[in-house]
Amino acid sequence: EDKVVQSPLSLVVHEGDTVTLNCSYEVTNFRSLLWYKQEKKAPTFLFMLTSSGIEKKSGRLSSILDKKELFSILNITATQTGDSAVYLCAVYAGNNRKLIWGLGTSLAVNP
Amino acid sequence: EADIYQTPRYLVIGTGKKITLECSQTMGHDKMYWYQQDPGMELHLIHYSYGVNSTEKGDLSSESTVSRIRTEHFPLTLESARPSHTSQYLCASSEQGTGQSPLHFGNGTRLTVT
Repeated sequence: EDKVVQSPLSLVVHEGDTVTLNCSYEVTNFRSLLWYKQEKKAPTFLFMLTSSGIEKKSGRLSSILDKKELFSILNITATQTGDSAVYLCAVYAGNNRKLIWGLGTSLAVNP
Repeated sequence: EADIYQTPRYLVIGTGKKITLECSQTMGHDKMYWYQQDPGMELHLIHYSYGVNSTEKGDLSSESTVSRIRTEHFPLTLESARPSHTSQYLCASSEQGTGQSPLHFGNGTRLTVT
């Protein structure tokens, strides 16, 4: 059965810390991996990764994919309280491009 | 920037009532989706559509129904609401493209059935 596993499930850090969130997957016919940030309402899109070893970067956030080891990491440097959210990972897989979601990592950044 | 709108934002309704959750997008996306999400839980796909007059059930069985008469509009209807329907409902859309475009989400409807 296809699955996406995120770790840790929750994390509490202080402002200024650097965090690394993990997403591992076991799917048939991997297509791409997506990261989303979900605050109180809707998930907002962060990155889409299709190739191994190519870092995607946006401000203090960056992400990279390892298709050999079947995982991705999302890094957030110099965290701010506004980074507090649930970070979701999802994988497109299969011939029908099904989107499989992880449970998310809940990040709390304390001042 | 994604333009996808859901109404109402919050809804509290009594058991047995019929409700329709509205979702509209102005991006011309062919694909639209409805997800159900309980607090602290994962997203569950309940319905999706790949274009006008196309609707399919998702992975999670749902008593709701959907319609897609216009590209931009994808309403979800519950004929008889029950407390078990209490949840957050998220609508999303994506481009047809390669079949793996990012989903753009609306702000959700938080439904409470008393």
